[in-house]
Amino acid sequence: SQTIHQWPATLVQPVGSPLSLECTVEGTSNPNLYWYRQAAGRGLQLLFYSVGIGQISSEVPQNLSASRPQDRQFILSSKKLLLSDSGFYLCAWSFGSPEQETQYFGPGTRLLVL
Amino acid sequence: QQQVKQSPQSLIVQKGGISIINCAYENTAFDYFPWYQQFPGKGPALLIAIRPDVSEKKEGRFTISFNKSAKQFSLHIMDSQPGDSATYFCAASRYGGSQGNLIFGKGTKLSVKP
Repeated sequence: SQTIHQWPATLVQPVGSPLSLECTVEGTSNPNLYWYRQAAGRGLQLLFYSVGIGQISSEVPQNLSASRPQDRQFILSSKKLLLSDSGFYLCAWSFGSPEQETQYFGPGTRLLVL
Repeated sequence: QQQVKQSPQSLIVQKGGISIINCAYENTAFDYFPWYQQFPGKGPALLIAIRPDVSEKKEGRFTISFNKSAKQFSLHIMDSQPGDSATYFCAASRYGGSQGNLIFGKGTKLSVKP
């Protein structure tokens, strides 16, 4: 069976500091990978998605970036955090074929920028 | 055309009652409609999903009703329980669409009172 991990679970960072959030998937190969942000009490905002190693598509321009150094690893980064970057960050995966639309979410990372 | 409109934003139901959440879409190319359940501090989890070749799908106390002509679908929770208190998201995607991306509604916060 497939498992998705995210860490850290919680992070408190000062404004202007760098960020690195990691997501890994086990039990599948060539997954599509996604990063979402969820503001408090709000919906899901797609930030990035990836269909393969080194292939990243950005949905919303901002000071965040994503990388996929390995097939089942997805990293969300920032060089300088803003207060507005606070939120709940969710990684998700789906099978890498067009007919498999279901996305499966990780446990999330809660980021507070002070 | 890519939006999925979800209502109500919040819902309070008595234990044993029926919870109904509605979603509407514009893009007639959408052909996959999942519902996700999210508990506080957790990632969303797939609850139930439907394709437009059927008008209804039932899994336990959860039922999706689908009206293709009206471009609407809804989630019904029968015999609602306090443990059902969570945020529910509807979503839609198109077969073979852009990396299987899901378009999410903004969510409905359900509170079931004992």
